[in-house]
Amino acid sequence: QKEVEQNSGPLSVPEGAIASLNCTYSDRVSQSFFWYRQYSGKSPELIMSIYSNGDKEDGRFTAQLNKASQYVSLLIRDSQPSDSATYLCAVLPLNNQGGKLIFGQGTELSVKP
Amino acid sequence: EPEVTQTPSHQVTQMGQEVILRCVPISNHLYFYWYRQILGQKVEFLVSFYNNEISEKSEIFDDQFSVERPDGSNFTLKIRSTKLEDSAMYFCASSGGWSGTANEQFFGPGTRLTVL
Repeated sequence: QKEVEQNSGPLSVPEGAIASLNCTYSDRVSQSFFWYRQYSGKSPELIMSIYSNGDKEDGRFTAQLNKASQYVSLLIRDSQPSDSATYLCAVLPLNNQGGKLIFGQGTELSVKP
Repeated sequence: EPEVTQTPSHQVTQMGQEVILRCVPISNHLYFYWYRQILGQKVEFLVSFYNNEISEKSEIFDDQFSVERPDGSNFTLKIRSTKLEDSAMYFCASSGGWSGTANEQFFGPGTRLTVL
């Protein structure tokens, strides 16, 4: 059973701080990794995708991937109250011809003004 | 910006009734998906669809479920005889492909299904 694990939180950070969200996955040969943001009662919104080891930056967001450790993270710099949401890590296993994303349970982030 | 749309936003039905949830994927996408999220739980994959065929389905997607692309724009999920445990948010998603950045999946706003 392929699994994706996240700390459920809540993670509370003050406005302007860096929020660090972590995710581990069990399928060693997974190749594609995604971070989604989900506001309460809303649908997942794609923030970042990452495919290679290392860092990928997009604005205030940086995704980090370490395949050897089966670990992917999301850093949010200069956190804003509007970043308060649940962040979902999703993994697409290798040889997946059906596009089945496996989601973690999400980490709830609260940014305090 | 192109987006996935879903109707209705909320569907209330009686146990044992049939429901059809509708989705319009992003227009140049060829790969379509249904996921569901029971309140407070993970987002779970139900089924993927490409070239008018199911590509993969989860064990949740039993004989009570079916999918169809009835025309060039709509993608539907039918639940033949709803159960109480089918109550959930149902999300449609689409992607341009399965490899590289084309495999980014974009989600619609969801249909909240309530089975009484």
